Amino acid sequence: EAQVTQNPRYLITVTGKKLTVTCSQNMNHEYMSWYRQDPGLGLRQIYYSMNVEVTDKGDVPEGYKVSRKEKRNFPLILESPSPNQTSLYFCASNRGMGQPQHFGDGTRLSIL
Amino acid sequence: KQEVTQIPAALSVPEGENLVLNCSFTDSAIYNLQWFRQDPGKGLTSLLLIQSSQREQTSGRLNASLDKSSGRSTLYIAASQPGDSATYLCAVRPPYNTDKLIFGTGTRLQVFP
Repeated sequence: EAQVTQNPRYLITVTGKKLTVTCSQNMNHEYMSWYRQDPGLGLRQIYYSMNVEVTDKGDVPEGYKVSRKEKRNFPLILESPSPNQTSLYFCASNRGMGQPQHFGDGTRLSIL
Repeated sequence: KQEVTQIPAALSVPEGENLVLNCSFTDSAIYNLQWFRQDPGKGLTSLLLIQSSQREQTSGRLNASLDKSSGRSTLYIAASQPGDSATYLCAVRPPYNTDKLIFGTGTRLQVFP
């Protein structure tokens, strides 16, 4: 089954404790993205990648890191999480420019 | 700066009604526009994608139209069913070489029996 898989689905942690949210897709897609969704603000792009070893900032990259060492994986790293990063996070992938995006089921992060 | 607006924020209708969801964007220079459905606790499911050169796309009971010059798109749902209850999001992709999507804040639809 074609899918985008995020882990964990839920995480409660404390300020300053490094965490990684993994994202994997099995569709051999070139493009991958991370979004965060907040009430009243909608979905906003954090980072995106258009190919292996190619990443670029979205609208809200501060406090996040990403890497794209292989096509299928695109982890999101919070080096020193803060409470304002409490949010619902989505990973997405698509075959290329202008193609429909496929989303994971989301990761709900709570930073205390 | 591109901004995407969806009105109304919430809509409640009886089963069987035909309904229209609206999406407007401030910059007509777009590559394409995509409509998504989001169910509670789930990710987004792509419903329809309209390229900037197209006027509409259809899938089953769904029809999406695009009027780029006026900065508007509508999602028409025919003969609504309770299973259509969800939040509907539209997103535009800018024309330059990026994988960015700019989302509206969505319309939360409830279809009651």
